Amino acid sequence: AQSVTQPDIHITVSEGASLELRCNYSYGATPYLFWYVQSPGQGLQLLLKYFSGDTLVQGIKGFEAEFKRSQSSFNLRKPSVHWSDAAEYFCAVGAGGYQKVTFGTGTKLQVIP
Amino acid sequence: NAGVTQTPKFQVLKTGQSMTLQCAQDMNHEYMSWYRQDPGMGLRLIHYSVGAGITDQGEVPNGYNVSRSTTEDFPLRLLSAAPSQTSVYFCASRPNRDSHSTDTQYFGPGTRLTVL
Repeated sequence: AQSVTQPDIHITVSEGASLELRCNYSYGATPYLFWYVQSPGQGLQLLLKYFSGDTLVQGIKGFEAEFKRSQSSFNLRKPSVHWSDAAEYFCAVGAGGYQKVTFGTGTKLQVIP
Repeated sequence: NAGVTQTPKFQVLKTGQSMTLQCAQDMNHEYMSWYRQDPGMGLRLIHYSVGAGITDQGEVPNGYNVSRSTTEDFPLRLLSAAPSQTSVYFCASRPNRDSHSTDTQYFGPGTRLTVL
């Protein structure tokens, strides 16, 4: 079965600083990978996804993620964080029959002025 | 399209009560699923369905029943609620059930359930 690890529970960055959120997955083959964002009291919104091809994936809101097979990682990055990026971010992997999606435990991002 | 809708938004139950969380989508999606979200645990898959009449268990199915009589609706039933089922519940759907689908999964707004 697949699994996802997000090692950082909580991250604080200053507005305008760069951001990298870590995600490691476990799966025997190349999985489908996702990053979702959840604002307080809201549902989940897809930021980006990776299925195949170019390992650097561009998403919405200026986010990007890089798939590194050798490290089993799919880290999310943003060059300059805005206060509105404060939210909880979930990495997820889709694999197996019917591509069931497994989520990580999330990283809560705080942005300080 | 209304997308994925869930009712109710909030619910308080007493231990032992039963209830049904409703989920509906108007996009003719094959695949639908239920997750629960608990602090520090992310989202965990409860049950999923790959079409009308076809359901299967996810990671944490105990205490929950589902059925899918139509493509549009995928209700989640709690037969005898327990405090451990206090959580936020999300329904999601995607167009294609295929294992290699590159479709995006769409989430509903969630139902916040408290069991006393």
